[in-house]
This record gives sequence, structure tokens and C-alpha cells, in this order.
Amino acid sequence: SQELEQSPQSLIVQEGKNLTINCTSSKTLYGLYWYKQKYGEGLIFLMMLQKGGEEKSHEKITAKLDEKKQQSSLHITASQPSHAGIYLCGANNNDMRFGAGTRLTVKP
Amino acid sequence: DTAVSQTPKYLVTQMGNDKSIKCEQNLGHDTMYWYKQDSKKFLKIMFSYNNKELIINETVPNRFSPKSPDKAHLNLHINSLELGDSAVYFCASSLSSGGTIYFGEGSWLTVV
Repeated sequence: SQELEQSPQSLIVQEGKNLTINCTSSKTLYGLYWYKQKYGEGLIFLMMLQKGGEEKSHEKITAKLDEKKQQSSLHITASQPSHAGIYLCGANNNDMRFGAGTRLTVKP
Repeated sequence: DTAVSQTPKYLVTQMGNDKSIKCEQNLGHDTMYWYKQDSKKFLKIMFSYNNKELIINETVPNRFSPKSPDKAHLNLHINSLELGDSAVYFCASSLSSGGTIYFGEGSWLTVV
């Protein structure tokens, strides 16, 4: 089965700083999804990448899928406390599998 | 309107009891899922249903049984609850088995 490894496991940044979260797959990614989870809430879909080299942005969050389609990165520019939460990458090859998540804390 | 809704949100019950968690989606999706998130926040798929057929059943104890009366509902029934069943259970749905998955807000189950 496809394994997804996320790094770092946790991240604490000062408000206003940029940050990057990585997701590496053991197999080629045919659909890579990024979700965000706030404590006590469900998963919110952020974006989905399919093509090698694809890049998508939503507000201050940018996600990229590398050309070989085995790694994705999520970049947040000028982080805010509202960005805090757990970010999960997921791969959907007929069933959605998730990485272990990256817990982001943004200090005001 | 909530797209994927599940009830109850919180459930505290004793070991050995039987409980159900209900899930409904109003997105017109044809595939629904149940995921379990443990205390370490690992999110693992338990079941998925496509057009009333179970298409994935991971190594889940048979005390867990999904029931789908129609394609808008996928309920999770758990028999003889154990302490290790304590977790957050998420219902989800997608337009197809390879499509974007939308999650409910989760059901926090605590077995005491």
C-alpha cells in the first residue's frame, strides 16, 4: 500500500514567518490532497494536485507537486494564528490514505 | 446546509455496550467512508461504500459493521465496545472512489 511520510511532525513559528511542510510518497502520486484539521473539528479540504510540477494557491497557502509526482510541499507565507492546526496530506489511489500529519502552532 | 453530517458528536459509553454513529451526506456522492483517528492523530480508513457495496474493508474487527440504507447514509455500528475503540470517527464522502473526499466533523467516542 502507499505510504505517506510528512515532515516535520510538528512546527512552531512566530506569526508572520513563512513555513513549509513536506509530504513524501513511497509510490507515484496520482492525486495528492492537502487537508487541514483544527482541534475538535473535522478535516477541511485545501487543495488537490494531480500533474507533475503542478502548483496551486489559496490565499497564503501554496502547494506543489514535484515533477516525479512523489513529493509535495505546502508553503504558508506570512503565517497567522488562524493557520494553526494539523495539516494532512492524502493520496487517493481508489482509497484515501493519509500521512501522520504536521501540527502547526503559530505564536502571536 | 452541512454537507456531511454525523451524530452524535460526543459519545461516552461503558465497555461492552453496543453503539451506533450515523452519517448522512447531501452532496449527491456515491461513495461514503468511515475513518478512525486515534490518540496520536493517525487517520486510517475503516470502510468505504460505493452504491451500497462494500469495496474496502481494512483489518477492522468484525465488531464494527457499516450499514448503508441508501447512498446518502452510511452508519457505523459497534458491538461490545472495548477501551481501545476510544477515538474520533470521521464519516466522509466523495463523488467517486477516486474523487476529492469531504469529511464530517467527527464523532468523539470514549469508552470507559
